[in-house]
Amino acid sequence: EAGVTQFPSHSVIEKGQTVTLRCDPISGHDNLYWYRRVMGKEIKFLLHFVKESKQDESGMPNNRFLAERTGGTYSTLKVQPAELEDSGVYFCASSHPQGTGETNEKLFFGSGTQLSVL
Amino acid sequence: GEDVEQSLFLSVREGDSSVINCTYTDSSSTYLYWYKQEPGAGLQLLTYIFSNMDMKQDQRLTVLLNKKDKHLSLRIADTQTGDSAIYFCAETHSPPGITDKLIFGTGTRLQVFP
Repeated sequence: EAGVTQFPSHSVIEKGQTVTLRCDPISGHDNLYWYRRVMGKEIKFLLHFVKESKQDESGMPNNRFLAERTGGTYSTLKVQPAELEDSGVYFCASSHPQGTGETNEKLFFGSGTQLSVL
Repeated sequence: GEDVEQSLFLSVREGDSSVINCTYTDSSSTYLYWYKQEPGAGLQLLTYIFSNMDMKQDQRLTVLLNKKDKHLSLRIADTQTGDSAIYFCAETHSPPGITDKLIFGTGTRLQVFP
């Protein structure tokens, strides 16, 4: 079974440009999450999709960030226009709908996209 | 607000035990986790502990939770070079099965030398 895949693995862009990150969750996983780690700091929650709906977008930094998940499959995270402080590693994670009341031990992370804004 | 803190670096000799510490501020945390990130890889769940537990052991890993002090630790026995990675502490107070929104620490980079 394929894991969570993210594309690209690295992106280097100039300030003011637009970048789109993609995440393909594990097939059948309704929950999809975006997290971000700015250099040397903690990993921060950005938002949570349940299928195609945004369940929680409280972590989105500002309106330069737009996340979509049309059709409830893969998701994109667009940054437009990119700023220097957007540099970091963007992680995507997915999980199956939880009905057992257990922990998130079934949360799977992708290897991340390293974004560098120059 | 919620905050999770970790020391940034730890260096240990191969074969020794490693202890990675974490403190958190949210007293309503229900689950606490340890994730491992190897170079170029995603986050891998190592172990977790419920807030009503004090200790959990899983092979070479021992998790200790002091709820009073809001302190979590991960002990790795017989540390190997393959244990070199970044270790993240994380917590959630969301009801299980509702969301996987995690509050992470800054990560501790563990370096194991021969």
